[in-house]
Amino acid sequence: GENVEQHPSTLSVQEGDSAVIKCTYSDSASNYFPWYKQELGKRPQLIIDIRSNVGEKKDQRIAVTLNKTAKHFSLHITETQPEDSAVYFCAARAASGGSYIPTFGRGTSLIVHP
Amino acid sequence: EAQVTQNPRYLITVTGKKLTVTCSQNMNHEYMSWYRQDPGLGLRQIYYSMNVEVTDKGDVPEGYKVSRKEKRNFPLILESPSPNQTSLYFCASSLNRGTYEQYFGPGTRLTVT
Repeated sequence: GENVEQHPSTLSVQEGDSAVIKCTYSDSASNYFPWYKQELGKRPQLIIDIRSNVGEKKDQRIAVTLNKTAKHFSLHITETQPEDSAVYFCAARAASGGSYIPTFGRGTSLIVHP
Repeated sequence: EAQVTQNPRYLITVTGKKLTVTCSQNMNHEYMSWYRQDPGLGLRQIYYSMNVEVTDKGDVPEGYKVSRKEKRNFPLILESPSPNQTSLYFCASSLNRGTYEQYFGPGTRLTVT
C-alpha cells in the first residue's frame, strides 16, 4: 500500500516568513495529493490539492508543488499569519487498487509567532 | 446544509462495554470511511465503504466493526473497547471513486478506562 512521510513534524516561524512542508510517497501510481489544515479542536479541512498531471498549483498565499519523478510534493505558505497556526496533513491517493481513499502523513504542527 | 455528523462527540466508557459511534452524511456520497487520530501518528484509516453493503479494512481495523446498510449511515462499532482505543475518531465521506475531496465529520473523542 501507499506510504506517506511528512517533514518536519513541527515548524515554528515568525509572522510574515514563509513556511514549507514536505512529503514523500511510495506508490508511483498515486495521482492525487491533497493538503488538509486542522485547527485546534476542529476537523481536518481541505485547503489545496494537486493532481499528477500538473507540477504546481497556487491559491493566494498557498502553493503546492509536485515532483512525480522524485515522488515528493510540498506545501508552501507565504507571508504567514498567526491564523495559519494549525496542524497540516499531506496525503496521497493511489490511482488503482486499495481503498481509493488517501493515505495521510503524520502531520506538521505549524506555529506562527506574531 | 451539506454535512457529515457524528454522535456522540465525547464519550467516556469502561473496558469491555460495547459502544457505537454513529456517522451520517446528507450529500448522497458513496464513499465513507473511519479514521482514528493519535498524537504523532496522524490520521489512520480504520475501515472504509465504497457503497451500501460494501465495506473493507483499512490500516488499523483490529477491534472495530462497521456496517453500511444505508447510503447515508456508516456506524463504527467497538464490541469490547480497550484502553488502547482511546483516541479521536473522524468519519469522512466523498462523492464517489472518481471524486477526490473528502469531507470530515466533527470528530468523536473516546476515552476507555
